[in-house]
Amino acid sequence: GNSVTQMEGPVTLSEEAFLTINCTYTATGYPSLFWYVQYPGEGLQLLLKATKADDKGSNKGFEATYRKETTSFHLEKGSVQVSDSAVYFCALSDGAAGNKLTFGGGTRVLVKP
Amino acid sequence: KAGVTQTPRYLIKTRGQQVTLSCSPISGHRSVSWYQQTPGQGLQFLFEYFSETQRNKGNFPGRFSGRQFSNSRSEMNVSTLELGDSALYLCASSLTGANNEQFFGPGTRLTVL
Repeated sequence: GNSVTQMEGPVTLSEEAFLTINCTYTATGYPSLFWYVQYPGEGLQLLLKATKADDKGSNKGFEATYRKETTSFHLEKGSVQVSDSAVYFCALSDGAAGNKLTFGGGTRVLVKP
Repeated sequence: KAGVTQTPRYLIKTRGQQVTLSCSPISGHRSVSWYQQTPGQGLQFLFEYFSETQRNKGNFPGRFSGRQFSNSRSEMNVSTLELGDSALYLCASSLTGANNEQFFGPGTRLTVL
């Protein structure tokens, strides 16, 4: 079956530091890949997505590239802010099953001023 | 455009009781999915409804059920509650088709005593 593995947190950074969260996946076919973010007390918000190999998703300074050869979709941001403190989830949808998302375990990020 | 709404936001029940959670999707969205979020198991897919039919189902016992109405609103029901059912239940809506972006509601926090 499908699975998503992402690095465990928490990740603690200083403001303006570089952030990378690793994500690898196992799936049949050609899945779409997503990064969602969850702020305290809220539901999930889509951060970015990529639907085919070599696509780069980007939003709010975050980027991730769909790497089929390494089955990875690592999230990066060049300069984090305190407001980026949240839990980040990598997810995939394999298309064969409607809109079902398979999530990674989530990575908590804490940015200190 | 109004987002996904879930009611109630918080619920406290005792073991053996049953509970019904409600989800109103974004206008025009016909797919509604439900997820359970717990600290131990993370985010797990429960089921997806599309056009009043269950399109996908996760690996949960039959105590978990759902339905969708003609206006796309959805309910999920958990019967014979167990302590382990305590979780944040998230509803997400999306357009038709597959691999679409899912828009999440704020969730219903269920506590089983």
